[in-house]
Amino acid sequence: DAKTTQPPSMDCAEGRAANLPCNHSTISGNEYVYWYRQIHSQGPQYIIHGLKNNETNEMASLIITEDRKSSTLILPHATLRDTAVYYCIVRVWGGSQGNLIFGKGTKLSVKP
Amino acid sequence: EPEVTQTPSHQVTQMGQEVILRCVPISNHLYFYWYRQILGQKVEFLVSFYNNEISEKSEIFDDQFSVERPDGSNFTLKIRSTKLEDSAMYFCASSVWDRVFEGYGNQPQHFGDGTRLSIL
Repeated sequence: DAKTTQPPSMDCAEGRAANLPCNHSTISGNEYVYWYRQIHSQGPQYIIHGLKNNETNEMASLIITEDRKSSTLILPHATLRDTAVYYCIVRVWGGSQGNLIFGKGTKLSVKP
Repeated sequence: EPEVTQTPSHQVTQMGQEVILRCVPISNHLYFYWYRQILGQKVEFLVSFYNNEISEKSEIFDDQFSVERPDGSNFTLKIRSTKLEDSAMYFCASSVWDRVFEGYGNQPQHFGDGTRLSIL
């Protein structure tokens, strides 16, 4: 089972920041946090990942709390094309279990 | 930007028939994966493949399933005798070798857009 908890759905106004929370209270020291999204049954799209420091790339920012028990994915200026299901996943680095375990994710609806 | 490509986009097959789903991973990637997603359900891991052998597999990946890298570019999933419950989207993914961790490390997996398999 997935080790993360996410709200089932969220709405966001177009142009505003979308802040998607994720709880991973049982995360281990050697587990990274990954975010993917899936737009209407397309393949999951990688967004960002991090271990303990905040991360930013051209798509999003990832804020991880100091105790690493939760994180927030931030889409700074959401557009209608960001409407998707967003998955927060924890995965051990370099171990024998390389697979991703997907939960139900958060369905983000960006509205005009 | 390089991407994972999958063919066909939609495959319709009679129950009991064999089906082969094809994937071309990103060219410098060494780890390959198959996942599936039954309509309305979660994405589920099937199998991972590295160095021409299966690294790990889920309980879904039973004897009806097999994977192969027949040449330097393709990665295939074969279902020998399809069942109605095999109807799903099948996603291929790949990731690079992580030089720091000497394995898949923390490198993200990149997914194709999937093959919709419909069993009649």
